[in-house]
Parts: sequence; C-alpha cells; structure tokens
Amino acid sequence: GNSVTQMEGPVTLSEEAFLTINCTYTATGYPSLFWYVQYPGEGLQLLLKATKADDKGSNKGFEATYRKETTSFHLEKGSVQVSDSAVYFCALRDDKIIFGKGTRLHILP
Amino acid sequence: NAGVMQNPRHLVRRRGQEARLRCSPMKGHSHVYWYRQLPEEGLKFMVYLQKENIIDESGMPKERFSAEFPKEGPSILRIQQVVRGDSAAYFCASSPLEVFFGEQFFGPGTRLTVL
Repeated sequence: GNSVTQMEGPVTLSEEAFLTINCTYTATGYPSLFWYVQYPGEGLQLLLKATKADDKGSNKGFEATYRKETTSFHLEKGSVQVSDSAVYFCALRDDKIIFGKGTRLHILP
Repeated sequence: NAGVMQNPRHLVRRRGQEARLRCSPMKGHSHVYWYRQLPEEGLKFMVYLQKENIIDESGMPKERFSAEFPKEGPSILRIQQVVRGDSAAYFCASSPLEVFFGEQFFGPGTRLTVL
C-alpha cells in the first residue's frame, strides 16, 4: 500500500542554518505530494505541494521538489528562523491523504 | 471567513463514558474528514463525510466509533465506552464542494484524555 517515510526528529538547528527534512514515499500511482506544518497547539497548515514529477513547491522560503526517480520530496530551507520551530509532516494523496509520522524542528536563537 | 472550528479543544473522560467531538467546516465547504493523531505519530485517516452521507469510513474502528454530518449543524465524531487507548488528538478537516480529497483545511483539534 501507499506509505510515507520521513526522517525522525527532533531536529535542532541554530538560527540561519540550512534545513533539510528527508521524505520518501511508496505509491502505486502518481500521487500529489504535500508538506504540512503544525505549530504548537494548532492544527495542520498546508505549507507547499507538488502534483507531478519535477514540480517544485515553495512557500515562506521552504522548497521541495517532486523526484519520481528517487520517490522523494525532501523539504529544504536556506536560512531557518526561530519561528520555524514546529512539527513538519510529509504527505501524499492518492485516493486519500497519507501522512508521515512528523519531524519536530527546534530552532535555537 | 472563519476557519475550521472544533470543540471542545480539550476533553477528559473516564473509561466507559462517551465522547462527542464537534467540527464546523469552513463556510462553503461540504466535505469533512476526521483524523486521529496518537502521540509521536502522524495523522491517520478515519472517515470522510459529505452532508448526510458517509463516503469513506475505511479508517474507522469497527466498534464504538461513529460519525455523522447532518444537513444542519456540525459534524460529530462519537466514541462510545471510551478506553485509555482512545486518548489522542482528533483533527477535523474540510474542503470545498468541488474538491475531492483535494486541499484540506484543518481545525485546531480536540485533545481527548481518557482517565
């Protein structure tokens, strides 16, 4: 069946560091891929998405490229801020949305 | 335009009691989805509803759990005879009429604690 695997956290970085959170997927079809962010005490918010191979989703300085050949959708940001501290979920949508377990990110000032 | 609203935000129940979780979708959205998030886990799909219809309940436990989305009023996720393992955060999401399992907008969740 379809599944999403993302790197385990927590990930702790200093402000202005480069961020990568790895995500790989298994799917029988051609799913859409998403990154969601969950701030403390809140629900999930869509951060970015890509609907087909080689698409790049971007938002708020975050980027992820849909790589069909490596079945990956890694999240990157060039310079993180303290306000980026949150839990990040990679997800795919085929007939329903399947989430990874989430990666908790701590950014130190 | 108010976002997806869920209440209560926190709910404490003793084993054997009933839990009722409510979700009001965004204005204009008639598709509602319920998810459960266990500690340190991702969200697991439970059920997808449209007004007065259950479209997909493949993620719902076979017993004690039920969901409805009446013509008027919020969607309700009902858990009967709660057990400690039901303790989790329950999230509701909604999407517009014309989007099928497309972009979903999430509520803040209800955190259920079973004592």
